[in-house]
Amino acid sequence: AQKVTQAQTEISVVEKEDVTLDCVYETRDTTYYLFWYKQPPSGELVFLIRRNSFDEQNEISGRYSWNFQKSTSSFNFTITASQVVDSAVYFCALSDGNNNDMRFGAGTRLTVKP
Amino acid sequence: ETGVTQTPRHLVMGMTNKKSLKCEQHLGHNAMYWYKQSAKKPLELMFVYNFKEQTENNSVPSRFSPECPNSSHLFLHLHTLQPEDSALYLCASAPGETTYGYTFGSGTRLTVV
Repeated sequence: AQKVTQAQTEISVVEKEDVTLDCVYETRDTTYYLFWYKQPPSGELVFLIRRNSFDEQNEISGRYSWNFQKSTSSFNFTITASQVVDSAVYFCALSDGNNNDMRFGAGTRLTVKP
Repeated sequence: ETGVTQTPRHLVMGMTNKKSLKCEQHLGHNAMYWYKQSAKKPLELMFVYNFKEQTENNSVPSRFSPECPNSSHLFLHLHTLQPEDSALYLCASAPGETTYGYTFGSGTRLTVV
């Protein structure tokens, strides 16, 4: 069975601090996809990144970076120099490639204080 | 704007009312989804449609009735709801092929009184 665990329910940081959101997943599939979504107060989930199981390269996009480690089944997300606009709920998700079966973690609520 | 539009944004309804939520996408996606997001709970998949055909009903009570008249539109018909059905209902769409992720709408915040 597939499962995604985001152990951090809520994180609060002060602006300009770096923050890492943890994501641990479980799957028996050899091919799978990992995602991060951001849910701002407006409600919609905004796609941030997709990573497939064969690509363990870390990725950086501006202040965002992702660390994918198959050995520990983790796909952690780091925001560098956080800003107030980063305040949102962040979801990690796992899919086996079948669009009918995407599992979401419980989400981490990030609050960035000025 | 994500390309997936949900209406209404907010809805308050009594337990005896009948209402419908609407979702529309013009992204050319073939798969559409309804998710329920309750406070302090993970996202719950409710229904999946692929090419207008329902391919999954995730043990959802019959007071929720989906309808997908075409690949661009998805409805969720509501009747005799309970207060615990109050939640954010999110619609999403996807290309329907290998997983490129979903595109979500902004959701409908439903309150059942």
